[in-house]
Formats: sequence, structure tokens, C-alpha cells
Amino acid sequence: DIQMTQSPSSLSASEGDRVTITCRSSQNIGTFLNWYRQKPGKAPELLIYTASILQSGVPSRLSGSGSGTDFTLTINSLQVEDCATYYCQQSHSTPRTFGPGTRVDFK
Amino acid sequence: QLQLQESGSRLVKPSQTLSLTCAVSGDSISSGSHSWTWIRQPPGKGLEWIGYIYHSGNTYYNPSLNSRVSISVDMSKSHISLNLTSLTAADTAVYFCARGRLYFDHWGQGILVSVSS
Repeated sequence: DIQMTQSPSSLSASEGDRVTITCRSSQNIGTFLNWYRQKPGKAPELLIYTASILQSGVPSRLSGSGSGTDFTLTINSLQVEDCATYYCQQSHSTPRTFGPGTRVDFK
Repeated sequence: QLQLQESGSRLVKPSQTLSLTCAVSGDSISSGSHSWTWIRQPPGKGLEWIGYIYHSGNTYYNPSLNSRVSISVDMSKSHISLNLTSLTAADTAVYFCARGRLYFDHWGQGILVSVSS
């Protein structure tokens, strides 16, 4: 199985800050990397697929980059609604695997 | 507007079988253009991919569950079903159905299933 790691595991930031979350895969997955946001008690929401393509309806202040084994999710100008847990997920091979999550909250 | 809604037993005894259904509305399962996935999340923990059913009917399961899991589609009812046998407390989780096999662009709200005697 491809193992996914994320850093940091949690972070606190202020409204308007730029936030960066890193995801790393245990082997080369090309750009088969997706990002989700999950708010408490809700289902995850797809934000970015294939490493950098923004899902329809997702604000352009979110962006994704990377390829191979190292990927980044960036939130420019953090907003209240961005406070959530973020997960990366590889779609290179089965079983699909998720990172452990990064919790983002306000200072 | 695509909607997915999970339903089924919320409390199941150890060693029994979990049976869940995901009702799909706003999209045609029979069009064969999508795959359908089940994912679970133990309380307070991360996400675990269970498996998916391809539009061809082929299924792919997580090897950690392979011998206990089955996913099927009933196109006449627009339902995707999940069966998980020989349950233990470790199977207690919120179970989500979702559309897609590479990435998951629509999700149900999830259903919490507790395994307890």
C-alpha cells in the first residue's frame, strides 16, 4: 500500500494568513493526488484533484501543487470557513489511501 | 443536483453482517459513466477506503477487508450496497458512499454504525 503522510498535523492561523499543508507519498504517484476538506460532523468535500485542478465551486484562494512524492495545498488569505481538517488522498493505485489529516483552526 | 443517502442498520452485534444502502438521486447509475465508492471513518479518526464498483460491474476492495466485504449495484433502484461480514468493534465507524474511483466528488452525509453487543 502507498502510505501518505501530512505535515503539520495541526496548525493555528489568523484570518487573512497564508496557510500551507504538505502531503508526502511513500512512492512516486505522479500527480494522482487529491485534497479534501472536512468540517466536524460533515462528509469530506473535494477541493483539488490531480494535484492542481480546482474542483468546481471551490474558491480560487485554494491551490495545489506538486508531483512525484511531494505535494502542497495552499490557502491564501485564510477565511473562517477554511477552519476544518484537510486530507490528501492518492489515486495512483488501489487500495486508495488517505493522509492522516491536518487540522486548521484560528488562533 | 446529485444526492447520495446512506441507510441501514446503525447498531450491529459482533460477528454479524453490516448491510448498508446508498440511494443515488439526480444522476443515472445505469448510464455507466461513473464508479461508486465506500469509505469509512472511525470516530475521531481518519478516512479508510473500503472499495469501489466500476461502471462495468467490476469491484475492487481494500485487501485489509477483502474477504469480508462486497459492493454491488442495483440499477433498477439506483442503489449501491455494502455488505461487511464478521464484524468487530473495530468496524465501528461512519460509513460514506461517494461517486468516483480516482477522486470522490460527491459524498453522502454518512451513517454511523456501531458494533456492540
